[in-house]
Amino acid sequence: EDKVVQSPLSLVVHEGDTVTLNCSYEVTNFRSLLWYKQEKKAPTFLFMLTSSGIEKKSGRLSSILDKKELFSILNITATQTGDSAVYLCAVEGNFGNEKLTFGTGTRLTIIP
Amino acid sequence: DSGVTQTPKHLITATGQRVTLRCSPRSGDLSVYWYQQSLDQGLQFLIQYYNGEERAKGNILERFSAQQFPDLHSELNLSSLELGDSALYFCASSVDRLATQYFGPGTRLLVL
Repeated sequence: EDKVVQSPLSLVVHEGDTVTLNCSYEVTNFRSLLWYKQEKKAPTFLFMLTSSGIEKKSGRLSSILDKKELFSILNITATQTGDSAVYLCAVEGNFGNEKLTFGTGTRLTIIP
Repeated sequence: DSGVTQTPKHLITATGQRVTLRCSPRSGDLSVYWYQQSLDQGLQFLIQYYNGEERAKGNILERFSAQQFPDLHSELNLSSLELGDSALYFCASSVDRLATQYFGPGTRLLVL
């Protein structure tokens, strides 16, 4: 059975700090790993990673995938209060296993 | 706004009843996915349709069924409702079977 484990479960930091969120996974026929941000509503897509070692970057957020060690990290630099949210990691299978399996998320709280 | 619409926004009903949740995908998207998010279970994949055909099935109960219509909108039917079915139900859509999924705002179901 596909499995995604995120750590830490919760993180509280001060504005301006840098945070690293972790995601490890097991999936049959890996296709991609996705990061989502969920505030009080629907998850919002951040990144999709399919190739190992390639960093995806968008402003202060970046993510990298290690397909050999089966994990990914999401970095947020110079955090702002608007970054407070639950960050979800999900893996997607391929070839008959085309579904998303989500981790339970990391709740990030940024204190002003 | 992801372009995915869901109705109704909120639904309150009693145990034993049946409800239908509706989802309209983004224009041009052929795949529709249904997810359930409850406090104790996190985000769980239920079922996926691609161009009218069931493509993948996750942790969907036998009391639940779904379909995708020729105009590509989808409905999720929940019957013999139990208290534990109270959750946020999300629909997501993507261009094809293996593309990034974009989430709708969700339908919050409360079973009393």
